[in-house]
Amino acid sequence: DGGITQSPKYLFRKEGQNVTLSCEQNLNHDAMYWYRQDPGQGLRLIYYSQIVNDFQKGDIAEGYSVSREKKESFPLTVTSAQKNPTAFYLCASRRTGGYTGELFFGEGSRLTVL
Amino acid sequence: DAKTTQPNSMESNEEEPVHLPCNHSTISGTDYIHWYRQLPSQGPEYVIHGLTSNVNNRMASLAIAEDRKSSTLILHRATLRDAAVYYCILLNTNAGKSTFGDGTTLTVKP
Repeated sequence: DGGITQSPKYLFRKEGQNVTLSCEQNLNHDAMYWYRQDPGQGLRLIYYSQIVNDFQKGDIAEGYSVSREKKESFPLTVTSAQKNPTAFYLCASRRTGGYTGELFFGEGSRLTVL
Repeated sequence: DAKTTQPNSMESNEEEPVHLPCNHSTISGTDYIHWYRQLPSQGPEYVIHGLTSNVNNRMASLAIAEDRKSSTLILHRATLRDAAVYYCILLNTNAGKSTFGDGTTLTVKP
């Protein structure tokens, strides 16, 4: 089945450690996105990528980094510079060109920093 | 990027219709109006989208104002499983930045 896979689903880390969240899609989508969601809040855009080897900052990119070396993969690193990293992280993808279709989301990764 | 405005919360009785409004006064000609819903601790799921004309699918209907500055998601008979946060967003054909607001929390009462 085509879809987006995020891992791990739950992650606990100590303060000051970098953490990398995985996002893989087999939908052949060019565009991929990372969102952060805090309790009771909407989704806020961290980074997005419209093509391999290119990505842009979203609204809250500070303390995060990404790479897009393959079309299928868009990992997110939460660095020690992120002041409040505990949150629910969502990855999404969509087509580009012509009618681009809807966003497909993964099931999310819940990061807790102790 | 164009923004959307939705009420924070709405309530409905089970088996009654629900009309969820969304304002998007700065919409551009190449923006599609999309609706998603999110259950707790899950990723949002697609509900429906449209460009200019009203749309129907098995989940819902989308009514788009003639000037495209507002739209309404219609759930014809709300069920308890429809209780969720509903997001209205604008997605452009260039697949650039896709920004969500805080959405509308729909409560369905039995």
